[in-house]
Amino acid sequence: DTEVTQTPKHLVMGMTNKKSLKCEQHMGHRAMYWYKQKAKKPPELMFVYSYEKLSINESVPSRFSPECPNSSLLNLHLHALQPEDSALYLCASSPTTSGTHNEQFFGPGTRLTVL
Amino acid sequence: AQKITQTQPGMFVQEKEAVTLDCTYDTSDPSYGLFWYKQPSSGEMIFLIYQGSYDQQNATEGRYSLNFQKARKSANLVISASQLGDSAMYFCAMRVTNTGNQFYFGTGTSLTVIP
Repeated sequence: DTEVTQTPKHLVMGMTNKKSLKCEQHMGHRAMYWYKQKAKKPPELMFVYSYEKLSINESVPSRFSPECPNSSLLNLHLHALQPEDSALYLCASSPTTSGTHNEQFFGPGTRLTVL
Repeated sequence: AQKITQTQPGMFVQEKEAVTLDCTYDTSDPSYGLFWYKQPSSGEMIFLIYQGSYDQQNATEGRYSLNFQKARKSANLVISASQLGDSAMYFCAMRVTNTGNQFYFGTGTSLTVIP
């Protein structure tokens, strides 16, 4: 299984809602990532988990809260988002975070719209 | 500082022709990896090809080849025999050992294949 899955594919939420994005991989990868991508822009790194521990937080606002329940799952909890948070949220995984030949495998993304 | 530059916002190519997408990078670290990803309109980032800084030969994967010129710090992607399905956004990315193996993405090139 060489697939990263993400649910839901689309999400529309109000600024007062609480929702979660889910990501799953069964490749035995020990590093997982959340990216935010605006239209026609490159992905921006948000968080990195290495061996289920948060290793990088790119100064992301606290309204985004990541969680890694186990080595296969990665969640992103959303609360009190702003319209400018509307974007494609991509999850990725890689075997580890060390070594340069560690391509990241991306999921299909969740298209988030905040009203 | 690490930097990836893609100077072609948009490119057009005739079906069955070859096309070169430019990528230059900047890093002072001798150990790094260079990646190319394809992102169709559906959103998923698809890994295409990898080149390590110590690799002696240019990487090839099917119709994709990487023209790696280390002294010029360039890693151009060559797509041979273009197909309509190659129409997508293409991102060059770099991973550097001494910066926690973060991915640095270029701004992307939008490729359109004309029938």
